[in-house]
This record gives sequence, structure tokens and C-alpha cells, in this order.
Amino acid sequence: GEDVEQSLFLSVREGDSSVINCTYTDSSSTYLYWYKQEPGAGLQLLTYIFSNMDMKQDQRLTVLLNKKDKHLSLRIADTQTGDSAIYFCAESIDNAGNMLTFGGGTRLMVKP
Amino acid sequence: EADIYQTPRYLVIGTGKKITLECSQTMGHDKMYWYQQDPGMELHLIHYSYGVNSTEKGDLSSESTVSRIRTEHFPLTLESARPSHTSQYLCASSEWEGARGYTFGSGTRLTVV
Repeated sequence: GEDVEQSLFLSVREGDSSVINCTYTDSSSTYLYWYKQEPGAGLQLLTYIFSNMDMKQDQRLTVLLNKKDKHLSLRIADTQTGDSAIYFCAESIDNAGNMLTFGGGTRLMVKP
Repeated sequence: EADIYQTPRYLVIGTGKKITLECSQTMGHDKMYWYQQDPGMELHLIHYSYGVNSTEKGDLSSESTVSRIRTEHFPLTLESARPSHTSQYLCASSEWEGARGYTFGSGTRLTVV
């Protein structure tokens, strides 16, 4: 079955870049997603990448996909204290009716 | 503005009480989901629906039940609440196909005392 893994915790200083990593097992993934969850809130879609792409950039966010290694990363440039949150990666399997499988989440702490 | 709404945001209730957590969406999405979220962050799918009169159990066994009588409404019911049901409950919806993923509600934080 499919499995999505993330490290639990990342701490960075304000102004530095953050890189949050994710690995997945199912090679038939079609879309891969990054969600952000702030305290006491639901998940908010940050960005997604189609599986035939290597990179996607959206302002301070850069998503890199290494399909051979089944590795997805989210880079946040110039990290701010408002970026402190839990980040979830998720994959959509082509033959699973668009059902998403989520990773366990990475808690990002940004120190001033 | 299209959105997904969960009520209540917070609920503290005594053991043995029956409760219903509400979830409504205005986007016309066919698919809806309920997740239970640990304090340790991980999301567990407990129920989902592919449309009216369709409900399925998710990966995590749950004593809750759901119904889908209208496209926009997907309530979750606990017949007899227990302290082990204390958790954050997140509702989400999605289109049948496409890249947009899930839209999540703000969640209900349930505490059973």
C-alpha cells in the first residue's frame, strides 16, 4: 500500500531558508501536495505539483520532486515567524479516485 | 465565497452523551471526508462519502457514524461519547477529479470528560 513519511520537527532562524522533506512509496502518484496547518485550524493547501514536473515555484515556496527517489521537498525562502506551523505532504494515486494519502506532518518552528 | 464550515469549533461534553458534529460545504463537491487528528499531528481517515447516500468507513476504526442525505451536508455522530473520543475532528471535501486536492474546514476540538 501507499505510505508517506516526513520528519517530525524542524527549527530554523527567521530569515533563513527552511527545507521540509517527504518520501512516498507509490510510484503511480499523479499529484503531490503541501498543506499548512496553523494552531487550532484546519489544513490549508499551499501548493501542488504534477508528477511529470521536477520543480514548481510560487513566490517564497519552491517544490522539488525527485520521482526516481520518490522524494518531495518544500523550500520556504526567507522564513518568517508566521511560517511556524505543521506542514503535511500528501499524494494522490491515479487509480484511487483522487483519494489523498497524508504524511504524519512536520512541525516547523521559526525562532526570531 | 465557497467554503466548508464545521460547527461547533469547541465542545466539552460528559461521558455517555450523544453528539453530532456538523460539516457543510458550498462548493458542490461530491466527495467529503472526516479525519481524526492526534495531538501528535497525524491524520486518520475515519469516514468518507462519494455522494448522496454513499458512506464508507476509513482506515481508522471509529465508533462514530455518518450520513449523507444532501450533497452539502456530512454530519458525524457519536451515540455515546467516551474520554477516548477526545480529539480534533477535521472535515474536508473535494471534486471528483482534478488537481485541487482537499478543502478543509477549521475543525472541531472535542473534549469528553
